[in-house]
Amino acid sequence: AQKVTQAQTEISVVEKEDVTLDCVYETRDTTYYLFWYKQPPSGELVFLIRRNSFDEQNEISGRYSWNFQKSTSSFNFTITASQVVDSAVYFCALSPWYNQGGKLIFGQGTELSVKP
Amino acid sequence: DGGITQSPKYLFRKEGQNVTLSCEQNLNHDAMYWYRQDPGQGLRLIYYSQIVNDFQKGDIAEGYSVSREKKESFPLTVTSAQKNPTAFYLCASSTGQGRWGYTFGSGTRLTVV
Repeated sequence: AQKVTQAQTEISVVEKEDVTLDCVYETRDTTYYLFWYKQPPSGELVFLIRRNSFDEQNEISGRYSWNFQKSTSSFNFTITASQVVDSAVYFCALSPWYNQGGKLIFGQGTELSVKP
Repeated sequence: DGGITQSPKYLFRKEGQNVTLSCEQNLNHDAMYWYRQDPGQGLRLIYYSQIVNDFQKGDIAEGYSVSREKKESFPLTVTSAQKNPTAFYLCASSTGQGRWGYTFGSGTRLTVV
């Protein structure tokens, strides 16, 4: 089965707290791609990061960081010193190599609420 | 700048009427997709198209129809057969079999009144 699980439906934090959004995936392919998207209240999904299965190096972009671990099939996303503007729904997605129709497999999303 | 344009942003429809949502891209992407999102829910695939004049049903195609006469355009018609059409609709496009992810439009919020 090919699947993405975001077990956290909703997370609420206070501004300046660090928060980690979990993403666990399943795929039989050895080559695949993982993504994170942000959906602010305006509705459009915004691309955050793409990672291929051969690159396990963690990535940091400002307050955002991603931890990719093939051993646990996880691709977690951490926001450091969260801000109110980080409030959004975050989706993790998988693109397996053998991918009928080029369809991405999305998780159910995690709604993050950052309170002032 | 390249991107995807969805119109209108908000749409109201009376029960029993068909309505067409527009999606246009100037990214030269081959594939296009329509998703439905209900409040507090994830994304559900309605239809997708990999090339002009060809499209496939997604997970929830009943009550919807599409066409792909031009590479740039992938309109979605919500027919009167769709029993619960009130939702947020997102269009996306991609290249390279989805391995570069999707580019999304800003969405259309459809309300049946």
